Amino acid sequence: ETGVTQSPTHLIKTRGQQVTLRCSSQSGHNTVSWYQQALGQGPQFIFQYYREEENGRGNFPPRFSGLQFPNYSSELNVNALELDDSALYLCASSLGQGITYEQYFGPGTRLTVT
Amino acid sequence: AQKITQTQPGMFVQEKEAVTLDCTYDTSDPSYGLFWYKQPSSGEMIFLIYQGSYDQQNATEGRYSLNFQKARKSANLVISASQLGDSAMYFCAMRYNTNAGKSTFGDGTTLTVKP
Repeated sequence: ETGVTQSPTHLIKTRGQQVTLRCSSQSGHNTVSWYQQALGQGPQFIFQYYREEENGRGNFPPRFSGLQFPNYSSELNVNALELDDSALYLCASSLGQGITYEQYFGPGTRLTVT
Repeated sequence: AQKITQTQPGMFVQEKEAVTLDCTYDTSDPSYGLFWYKQPSSGEMIFLIYQGSYDQQNATEGRYSLNFQKARKSANLVISASQLGDSAMYFCAMRYNTNAGKSTFGDGTTLTVKP
């Protein structure tokens, strides 16, 4: 286990609703990245937080937003849910910004939008 | 644009044999890192091995080795002495120093180890 936890494990929501997913990073890790993984595909980068500031974003609309707290835990919020938002959402934490810092992934939250 | 291509959707290997999973990448940035992850059906991404673009030697981690051919832009994963527990999805990924929190992933290869 990596020490990165995510909650909830599974979630079912209705189209148009809003959802908040949570990630608790490994102790001391100041960088958190979020990914969306649709079934049968590789993860797609949503955004990254470094010391409570968003400092990188993938090709996702503004209804995907996030927060990082002083203890470096993080939230992913998705508004106006669409059916295509159904996916596994992964968060990954690391000790720093460089590529030599390993990203530790959590077990993911599986979101189903009906 | 950064792109990772994994051309083998599925692979089969006999237990105790070696298997190579292919990965090619496209980038114009000279400084990058290449990673391989294993994803069991439980969903968690497990880090396997890392190769830096300036590393002179191929990376090895136990039964895993990375066959890095920079000129061909390929970073194939070799698993030796396959075990039944190696059955999983395998992803090749790339990161840059300029945006190191972002990993670009391929679409993965499903490996099935047969007894």
